Amino acid sequence: GAVVSQHPSWVICKSGTSVKIECRSLDFQATTMFWYRQFPKQSLMLMATSNEGSKATYEQGVEKDKFLINHASLTLSTLTVTSAHPEDSSFYICSARGTNQPQHFGDGTRLSIL
Amino acid sequence: QKEVEQNSGPLSVPEGAIASLNCTYSDRGSQSFFWYRQYSGKSPELIMSIYSNGDKEDGRFTAQLNKASQYVSLLIRDSQPSDSATYLCAVSMNTGFQKLVFGTGTRLLVSP
Repeated sequence: GAVVSQHPSWVICKSGTSVKIECRSLDFQATTMFWYRQFPKQSLMLMATSNEGSKATYEQGVEKDKFLINHASLTLSTLTVTSAHPEDSSFYICSARGTNQPQHFGDGTRLSIL
Repeated sequence: QKEVEQNSGPLSVPEGAIASLNCTYSDRGSQSFFWYRQYSGKSPELIMSIYSNGDKEDGRFTAQLNKASQYVSLLIRDSQPSDSATYLCAVSMNTGFQKLVFGTGTRLLVSP
């Protein structure tokens, strides 16, 4: 149980492109989803928290206009990196949790901006 | 001071030995504690959660929590080469499993 699917697993695109990443909870209703970013040899840094039907709460220093988050249903959240640049290249990971449950992580999306 | 601190390692142990991973946290109000395993290039996988002082055992894994000392540890018995990974300690301020703060992780190497 508690399977979280993240798609795509790998994206390579040109600078200036917008990239959408999907995160789905396959066998449970995710009341809250989280988006993290992880640079090489560093730990996970929380970018934002989203609750179904509500606006996402962004961590300090994360630009909400650059990283658009939509949590339209209890099983789907999307992260759109708008006008991506090489410094946005990173490993993006989503997690989801049901009510009073631990977070379970998706497989991550490796984003490379050329 | 970092909120959650771990020794980056690598911690090297021979196959069959006990691996001991440690984590300290700064916020005394922390309520929930988790250990995640992360293989290189992969996302974290939940191994153990612990919420009250003492030990919690699950198979070869034992989590230990000491809130007075703000210390949580993970013991891996009968270590296997497949246990080689980075182990992330994560702490939450409340029992509602909201925002997690992660340590930088300890890299464990189990040699055959």
